[in-house]
Amino acid sequence: GENVEQHPSTLSVQEGDSAVIKCTYSDSASNYFPWYKQELGKRPQLIIDIRSNVGEKKDQRIAVTLNKTAKHFSLHITETQPEDSAVYFCAPLTGGGNKLTFGTGTQLKVEL
Amino acid sequence: IAGITQAPTSQILAAGRRMTLRCTQDMRHNAMYWYRQDLGLGLRLIHYSNTAGTTGKGEVPDGYSVSRANTDDFPLTLASAVPSQTSVYFCASSASGRATDTQYFGPGTRLTVL
Repeated sequence: GENVEQHPSTLSVQEGDSAVIKCTYSDSASNYFPWYKQELGKRPQLIIDIRSNVGEKKDQRIAVTLNKTAKHFSLHITETQPEDSAVYFCAPLTGGGNKLTFGTGTQLKVEL
Repeated sequence: IAGITQAPTSQILAAGRRMTLRCTQDMRHNAMYWYRQDLGLGLRLIHYSNTAGTTGKGEVPDGYSVSRANTDDFPLTLASAVPSQTSVYFCASSASGRATDTQYFGPGTRLTVL
């Protein structure tokens, strides 16, 4: 299958600090790059996505940046809050643009 | 509006038994998906359906079957459960079969096969 990797696998930050999670992928044809958030015991939910015709997209405290040449995209969370604590998954479109392939997740913990 | 629901919430099953996980959505979405989530492996696609009457295989289809008789329902069947199928199963739906459509997930079914 397509290779999708996330780093780091766990991330601990102090409240108010910024957090960055990176996702690398191998399919050069990928053109859609979403991020999902999953709180403990809950379902995954889309929080932000970007398409390959833009380099950055922002929505309040979260942003996604894309580097298609290097085949990676990143999730940026500023002014982190305790409710940001969750597992975050990248899920780039792979397999010729047919289906999402989820990364293995990053556990973010925001400490008070 | 319920959105997308799954049943049962959790189940413990003896190996070799047959089991059907139910998924229903009331959003009139054309596309539906089944994923399994295992610790350290993220979500992996089992089967999908782009529209009623059609189904396709995902990344890990072996041991599972699906049907899509109508728009709302997308059951997942384990014909003869094995312990490696112990997992949390999520159903999802999206408005169309385009992978760029937002996928909405159900609450999940936690399945344990002994």
